[in-house]
Amino acid sequence: DVQMTQSPSSVSASVGDRVTITCRASQGISSWLAWYQQKPGKAPKFLIYAVSSLQSGVPSRFSGSGSGTDFTLTISSLQPEDFATYYCQQANSFPFTFGQGTRLEIK
Amino acid sequence: EVQLVESGGGLVQPGGSLRLSCAASGFTFNNYAMNWVRQAPGKGLEWVSSISGSGGSTYYADSVKGRFTISRDNSKNTLFLQMNSLRAEDTAVYYCAKDRPGGRGLDYWGQGALVTVSS
Repeated sequence: DVQMTQSPSSVSASVGDRVTITCRASQGISSWLAWYQQKPGKAPKFLIYAVSSLQSGVPSRFSGSGSGTDFTLTISSLQPEDFATYYCQQANSFPFTFGQGTRLEIK
Repeated sequence: EVQLVESGGGLVQPGGSLRLSCAASGFTFNNYAMNWVRQAPGKGLEWVSSISGSGGSTYYADSVKGRFTISRDNSKNTLFLQMNSLRAEDTAVYYCAKDRPGGRGLDYWGQGALVTVSS
């Protein structure tokens, strides 16, 4: 099974800051990587697919990059509504696996 | 507008069974693979199972293999998860989620159904 490891587990930042979250796969997953945002008590929201393609309606301050085993999610200028937990997911092979999540908190 | 609405959650004793349903609307259901993802209280997301658009291919996490069965009724636009031999560690919110076109992510999610396994 492919293990997905996110770092950091949590991060504190201020509105307007630039934040980067890293996701590492235990083996190569080509471009089969997605990112999700989840707020407390809500279902996850789909942000990015195929490493760097933004889902329709997702603000352009979100971006993704990477290849092979190392990937990043960057939020260029944090907005109040961006404080949430973020998960990466590999869809290269079954069983699909998620990272453990990165909690983005307000400083 | 795509909508996914789960039902069938509740409290069940260890060793018991429960069947979750997910009613889909707003898209051509049989064109898309569907998934179940769960989240234990205070924990992260765990993929549980996937089924192809035709229903001919199914996949399971090791943690539920042999106990859970995913299925779909394309005539009724409904996804199911039959859960047998339930354990305390199966306690979670269960989400149904639609594959995006071409795969590579889950683009729409339901609101979730809480399953509690406890005596």
